[in-house]
Amino acid sequence: EPEVTQTPSHQVTQMGQEVILRCVPISNHLYFYWYRQILGQKVEFLVSFYNNEISEKSEIFDDQFSVERPDGSNFTLKIRSTKLEDSAMYFCASREGGGNNSPLHFGNGTRLTVT
Amino acid sequence: GDSVTQMEGPVTLSEEAFLTINCTYTATGYPSLFWYVQYPGEGLQLLLKATKADDKGSNKGFEATYRKETTSFHLEKGSVQVSDSAVYFCALSDREAGTALIFGKGTTLSVSS
Repeated sequence: EPEVTQTPSHQVTQMGQEVILRCVPISNHLYFYWYRQILGQKVEFLVSFYNNEISEKSEIFDDQFSVERPDGSNFTLKIRSTKLEDSAMYFCASREGGGNNSPLHFGNGTRLTVT
Repeated sequence: GDSVTQMEGPVTLSEEAFLTINCTYTATGYPSLFWYVQYPGEGLQLLLKATKADDKGSNKGFEATYRKETTSFHLEKGSVQVSDSAVYFCALSDREAGTALIFGKGTTLSVSS
């Protein structure tokens, strides 16, 4: 069964550094998402992406964050200058269509640790 | 705004015990409701869903009924197995295309033999 893949599984970075988290959504999916989960807290929505542009973003997704679909397969999340509070598990997800009848498929996540 | 509240974990059960994980929600519209499961080392997987009041979602022996009157979507299973050990997330979606899911904090279930 096709799956969403994320790399790396664990990234350690120093505060102030830039990080890029990578995701390969399922190939025929059109909607892409990033979520994060700070340890012990809720899974939080960051951003959704459709038709090569951001369709929705949360308050968390400030100017330090950006997303890109640089080619036909990858979907990346960039954090320009990481802060300690960016430490979290970041999940990429994709879905084939819009609406609630098209389920979200999640990757296994990238654990980001900012020191 | 919309929100989901789940019972605090961890929940520790013996094999074949009955499971209930409570979930209540707050939403301005008519949301769809979901349970996702995360097995150790894996991503979130959709377990079941219900899109309107009184719908019952079911999968792998798990069930949840959409109760509009109590704004609840409690997850139940009659007889848990060790392989059900995972983190369970209740979630809602209140809008159409491009919809973002709103998750609860997750409840860790540990089943021992």
